Amino acid sequence: AQRVTQPEKLLSVFKGAPVELKCNYSYSGSPELFWYVQYSRQRLQLLLRHISRESIKGFTADLNKGETSFHLKKPFAQEEDSAMYYCALSGYRNYGQNFVFGPGTRLSVLP
Amino acid sequence: DAGVTQSPTHLIKTRGQHVTLRCSPISGHKSVSWYQQVLGQGPQFIFQYYEKEERGRGNFPDRFSARQFPNYSSELNVNALLLGDSALYLCASSLIGGNNEQFFGPGTRLTVL
Repeated sequence: AQRVTQPEKLLSVFKGAPVELKCNYSYSGSPELFWYVQYSRQRLQLLLRHISRESIKGFTADLNKGETSFHLKKPFAQEEDSAMYYCALSGYRNYGQNFVFGPGTRLSVLP
Repeated sequence: DAGVTQSPTHLIKTRGQHVTLRCSPISGHKSVSWYQQVLGQGPQFIFQYYEKEERGRGNFPDRFSARQFPNYSSELNVNALLLGDSALYLCASSLIGGNNEQFFGPGTRLTVL
């Protein structure tokens, strides 16, 4: 089965503290992994994808195929990082293209 | 460009009715995907269309159907509505299909009574 899990529903950290949002996936093959973010009253938007290997807004994520993880990290959290974060994978199944989103983690950065 | 637009914003239906949701992609985008997001959960993939052809389908019953028009806009149809169909329905567009970056619309909130 293709699945994405995010163990934390809510993560609270203080401004300036490091952040790690966990994501694990199950997929037989080589999926593409993404992190999407939804700020308050805004649309869901792409934050980063593993193939681009970019750092966006100070966030990075490394695909660990051995542990089937794609954790999102930022060394110093900012208050404006407070948002809902979804890990997602893109792959293929019997019916063609497939996308699977995790349940999301709400990040709250405290002043 | 206003980005991806969806209509209507909100909709209230009763069990057994059918509903049509509409989506206009970003200009130049040829692919549209539909998602269902139940409160407290992540979006669940329903369909992806590219160049008017279905390119992917999630685990949804046949009551759910969609199509894409020559101008790349799309409709999602749900027949014989159930209470459990109450959700936010999201549309996302991308330049081409596959796993290209998706740009999401604001969603249509469907309530089934």
